Amino acid sequence: AQTVTQSQPEMSVQEAETVTLSCTYDTSENNYYLFWYKQPPSRQMILVIRQEAYKQQNATENRFSVNFQKAAKSFSLKISDSQLGDTAMYFCAFMIEPTDKLIFGTGTRLQVFP
Amino acid sequence: ETGVTQSPTHLIKTRGQQVTLRCSSQSGHNTVSWYQQALGQGPQFIFQYYREEENGRGNFPPRFSGLQFPNYSSELNVNALELDDSALYLCASSLRELPGLNEQFFGPGTRLTVL
Repeated sequence: AQTVTQSQPEMSVQEAETVTLSCTYDTSENNYYLFWYKQPPSRQMILVIRQEAYKQQNATENRFSVNFQKAAKSFSLKISDSQLGDTAMYFCAFMIEPTDKLIFGTGTRLQVFP
Repeated sequence: ETGVTQSPTHLIKTRGQQVTLRCSSQSGHNTVSWYQQALGQGPQFIFQYYREEENGRGNFPPRFSGLQFPNYSSELNVNALELDDSALYLCASSLRELPGLNEQFFGPGTRLTVL
């Protein structure tokens, strides 16, 4: 079975601080892609960052970076210099090649406090 | 370039009824995927349409069906509604070029309540 586990239902962080959201996944496939999506209260899901499993280098997008540990099947998201606008649900997801089907975790609710 | 839109925003139905949800994909996108997001859960893949044909299906019964049209719009139909069908339904469009490299752009969703 292919599953995604997010063990932190809720997290909070003070503005300008750094926070790390955890994600583990299970698959026997070799070719896949990993994603972090953000879902603000307005509900529209937005892609935050993407990682190709065949790439060893961790992806970064401005204040967002990942720690991808393929052997451990771990894919955590680090948000630096947290901003109030980062408040949202964050979903970890992966996609098995060659499908375009996203498999999501249950999400982590992140609250950024001033 | 317009984003992905969905209609209606909210919908209330009763058990046994049928419902049609609509999605307008981003212009030029040839693929649409539908997801069901129950309260407090992550989205679950229902099915995907590529160039108007079903291209993969999740663990959902046949009473969940879909259509994709040449004008980038699509529909999700659910027959014989059950209470457990209450959820947020998301569509996501993408331009299928290479698997996995296609960013899926999500719509705001339709909140379906079944009484």
